[in-house]
Amino acid sequence: AQKITQTQPGMFVQEKEAVTLDCTYDTSDPSYGLFWYKQPSSGEMIFLIYQGSYDQQNATEGRYSLNFQKARKSANLVISASQLGDSAMYFCAMRGGSTLTFGKGTMLLVSP
Amino acid sequence: NAGVTQTPKFRVLKTGQSMTLLCAQDMNHEYMYWYRQDPGMGLRLIHYSVGEGTTAKGEVPDGYNVSRLKKQNFLLGLESAAPSQTSVYFCASSYSQRRTEAFFGQGTRLTVV
Repeated sequence: AQKITQTQPGMFVQEKEAVTLDCTYDTSDPSYGLFWYKQPSSGEMIFLIYQGSYDQQNATEGRYSLNFQKARKSANLVISASQLGDSAMYFCAMRGGSTLTFGKGTMLLVSP
Repeated sequence: NAGVTQTPKFRVLKTGQSMTLLCAQDMNHEYMYWYRQDPGMGLRLIHYSVGEGTTAKGEVPDGYNVSRLKKQNFLLGLESAAPSQTSVYFCASSYSQRRTEAFFGQGTRLTVV
């Protein structure tokens, strides 16, 4: 069985600062993928970044980067230079086999 | 390009009524999923399908049924709605390759009174 744990129900950050959202996972599958999604108050799910279990380098997409530590089973999302529009719920998800499992999410609030 | 479309967007049901939520995707994806989202619970997988004619149970399947008669459509049925099924329902689809992200519909807000 797969499990995703996000231990931060809420996070606060000031505009222009960096923030790290934590995600740990558990799986017995040697091949898996890790995803981060953003859900703004409007409700849609927006894909941000992907990391494969065999990828040698940490994934980056613009201001988003993924701090992947395979031995620790963690896949933390780093948002650099936070913007007011980054205020949203963030979900970590894992795909192993045919299912996609989500964590409970972290609410990020960016203040001016 | 419509992507993933859910119908309806909002619905209010009385306890014991039945309804079907429709999910349609135009990306030729093999995999399709139904999730429910409740406050503090994240997204929980109800049922999923890995191809036309196949379905499988997820984490919280009780009280729901699904069908995938056509590759592009994935239907979620509630035979006898209960207040505990009040939730926001999301459909998603993806290619079978593990590297590919899932695309989500806009969500359906269902209230059972």
